[in-house]
Amino acid sequence: DAEITQSPRHKITETGRQVTLACHQTWNHNNMFWYRQDLGHGLRLIHYSYGVQDTNKGEVSDGYSVSRSNTEDLPLTLESAASSQTSVYFCASSASESYNEQFFGPGTRLTVL
Amino acid sequence: GQNIDQPTEMTATEGAIVQINCTYQTSGFNGLFWYQQHAGEAPTFLSYNVLDGLEEKGRFSSFLSRSKGYSYLLLKELQMKDSASYLCAALDSNYQLIWGAGTKLIIKP
Repeated sequence: DAEITQSPRHKITETGRQVTLACHQTWNHNNMFWYRQDLGHGLRLIHYSYGVQDTNKGEVSDGYSVSRSNTEDLPLTLESAASSQTSVYFCASSASESYNEQFFGPGTRLTVL
Repeated sequence: GQNIDQPTEMTATEGAIVQINCTYQTSGFNGLFWYQQHAGEAPTFLSYNVLDGLEEKGRFSSFLSRSKGYSYLLLKELQMKDSASYLCAALDSNYQLIWGAGTKLIIKP
């Protein structure tokens, strides 16, 4: 069965360190997204990609970067982790048509001390 | 600005019916999604409405009024497993999803 996976599921890091969160999907979807979810807020879009070599900034992209070298993977990098980036991070993918539902990975809980 | 409003929390009784409302203001509109999210888990798709009216899927129905910027999710014959957060999200003119903060639904026996 097709799926979308994230690793690690939990991560504790220190302020200033670089952190990379992995996202891998086997749906063969062109569209991939990274969100963060914090209490009292809806899902907030960090970065998204509509295909290989395509990346775009979302609502809360400062301090984050992504790269898309193949269809399956969209890693999210925190260049210099800050305590404000403590959150739950979800990766999602969808087929090309804009109205298609997004399928979400299980999430990564990141704590920055 | 773009905004999605939905109640923070609702409580209902097992076997009953509950309606979760969502109002939206977006730059353009290309449809309204509802997702379910159990605590500690990922959101999962429930419904998509782009035309006015009611869409029924088993115990769950979703309604849209584009002229009023309003949607609701109707859950019938509530079961304990329906305890979850329900997320409303509108697709704007750039085909980006704008998400509400979610409604936590508590089901009591």
